[in-house]
Amino acid sequence: GAVVSQHPSRVICKSGTSVKIECRSLDFQATTMFWYRQFPKKSLMLMATSNEGSKATYEQGVEKDKFLINHASLTLSTLTVTSAHPEDSSFYICSAGLAGVVRETQYFGPGTRLLVL
Amino acid sequence: KQEVTQIPAALSVPEGENLVLNCSFTDSAIYNLQWFRQDPGKGLTSLLLIQSSQREQTSGRLNASLDKSSGRSTLYIAASQPGDSATYLCAVNRNSGYALNFGKGTSLLVTP
Repeated sequence: GAVVSQHPSRVICKSGTSVKIECRSLDFQATTMFWYRQFPKKSLMLMATSNEGSKATYEQGVEKDKFLINHASLTLSTLTVTSAHPEDSSFYICSAGLAGVVRETQYFGPGTRLLVL
Repeated sequence: KQEVTQIPAALSVPEGENLVLNCSFTDSAIYNLQWFRQDPGKGLTSLLLIQSSQREQTSGRLNASLDKSSGRSTLYIAASQPGDSATYLCAVNRNSGYALNFGKGTSLLVTP
């Protein structure tokens, strides 16, 4: 089956620093990748939709200058949390869909746990 | 705006019991519905996907039903085991190529 990886799996950083999270589709090409955020005991909330070669579409309330998304290739999307603050601490999960196919499902990465001190 | 609700929020049952998890959604114009499992601190594992034209899907001890017109889905787990302990998430997709709308999940604990 399709595999999506995320790196790093866990990161701890100081307030004010920037953190980059990678999402890779290992054995398929993904024209679209989604970034979700999950707070403790809460559901997954969509942050943005990332399309290869174009600008990401952000959900209402998500600051595009703070959460920079780059989808430079069909197998890689990155999320950069700029000037991270403690309230950005969360579980970030990406998902990817098959390119060129009417997608019936999305394949999720294992998630990245971010802790900002 | 699609709202997905899962009931109960938490459930504890003894091993061997059959159980039902409920999911409801406000907009019946969905493309498909999925049930996921999430272990603590981990990502998502897809359990079952039901297309909008389907009524149910089965996989092993799991059976998911869909009543699109009433905006409801249930996940039935037969003969529960301690290894079934996890959070179960329901998500709907309004169309192919769109992101999923998730419920808050049901936290299941199956005690030996």
